[in-house]
Amino acid sequence: GNSVTQMEGPVTLSEEAFLTINCTYTATGYPSLFWYVQYPGEGLQLLLKATKADDKGSNKGFEATYRKETTSFHLEKGSVQVSDSAVYFCALSDPALGTDKLIFGTGTRLQVFP
Amino acid sequence: DVKVTQSSRYLVKRTGEKVFLECVQDMDHENMFWYRQDPGLGLRLIYFSYDVKMKEKGDIPEGYSVSREKKERFSLILESASTNQTSMYLCASRLGGGPSNQPQHFGDGTRLSIL
Repeated sequence: GNSVTQMEGPVTLSEEAFLTINCTYTATGYPSLFWYVQYPGEGLQLLLKATKADDKGSNKGFEATYRKETTSFHLEKGSVQVSDSAVYFCALSDPALGTDKLIFGTGTRLQVFP
Repeated sequence: DVKVTQSSRYLVKRTGEKVFLECVQDMDHENMFWYRQDPGLGLRLIYFSYDVKMKEKGDIPEGYSVSREKKERFSLILESASTNQTSMYLCASRLGGGPSNQPQHFGDGTRLSIL
């Protein structure tokens, strides 16, 4: 079946540190991949997405590359800020399922300290 | 801009009550979704709808029902609330019929406590 696995948090970093949050997936078909971010007290916002192998999604300094050979979609940022503190969710949408459902990982909490 | 509005940010109800959570979107989206979010479990899909009066069970539909009488509104109903339904509830909408890379758009969530 389809699933998304994320690294467990919390991830604790100092401001300006490099961030990686790992995400791997299993899918029946050829999925689209997403990263969502949830700031405290808010709903989820789309951060970036990628549709096919080797695509790189990017937004607000965050990047993730769709790696079909390793079934991964790791989130990276070169220099984090305190305002990046949030929960990050990796998700996939698989057309082979015949639905528009998103399959989410369990989320990774990022805490950035000044 | 995209807007999904959930009627309440915080709600406290008692065991056995019938609870309604309302969600409205202004983007003319066909697809709407209800999730619950619990620590360590991520988001789990309760129900979704492809169109008016259509509904499909998600992964954890037990104890819930939904209503979609109008395209813009999708209601989640707890028929007889129980303490294990205390959670954060998130509504989302999505353009229907498009490719799988269409994202879902989320509301701010309703934090529901059942006492």
